[in-house]
Amino acid sequence: KQEVTQIPAALSVPEGENLVLNCSFTDSAIYNLQWFRQDPGKGLTSLLLIQSSQREQTSGRLNASLDKSSGRSTLYIAASQPGDSATYLCAVRFPASGSRLTFGEGTQLTVNP
Amino acid sequence: NAGVTQTPKFQVLKTGQSMTLQCAQDMNHNSMYWYRQDPGMGLRLIYYSASEGTTDKGEVPNGYNVSRLNKREFSLRLESAAPSQTSVYFCASSEDLLAKNIQYFGAGTRLSVL
Repeated sequence: KQEVTQIPAALSVPEGENLVLNCSFTDSAIYNLQWFRQDPGKGLTSLLLIQSSQREQTSGRLNASLDKSSGRSTLYIAASQPGDSATYLCAVRFPASGSRLTFGEGTQLTVNP
Repeated sequence: NAGVTQTPKFQVLKTGQSMTLQCAQDMNHNSMYWYRQDPGMGLRLIYYSASEGTTDKGEVPNGYNVSRLNKREFSLRLESAAPSQTSVYFCASSEDLLAKNIQYFGAGTRLSVL
């Protein structure tokens, strides 16, 4: 069964810290991997999409990397701010699952002022 | 630019009642999706529509029906609601089913079935 796992489930850091969120997946044959942000009571906002052929993607203070051979992706957030507080979800598109995204359960991030 | 709009935002039903969740997108996307989000289960795909006039089952389709009314609108119907269908429902859309395309999500509908 193809699964996506995110550890830790929750993370609390002081403002200004650089941090890394982890995502692991069980099958190295993927189409792409997407990182989302979800604010409480809100929908999902796409942050970064990494195609299977790519190693990383960057947007502002965010950098996502992909290592298919080890089944891992990391989301790096530089100089964290209280406004970064949210749940971060990783989703993988596996070829065997067609159009379905397989989601991890997310990491709930709190950045303290 | 509204993106993906879902109505209603909240709903409480009694067991056995029916309702339709509405979703509309204004990005001229071909593909649309319905997910449910449950604690400890993550988001799971219920149904999707690759293009206007087509629908297909996802991971958890039982108890639901969908209609792709036109290119903009994709509705999800619960014919006889059950407590197990208490969840947060998200609609999403993308340009098409190709792997390169980002999925854009609505704000969700929070449904409680008593």
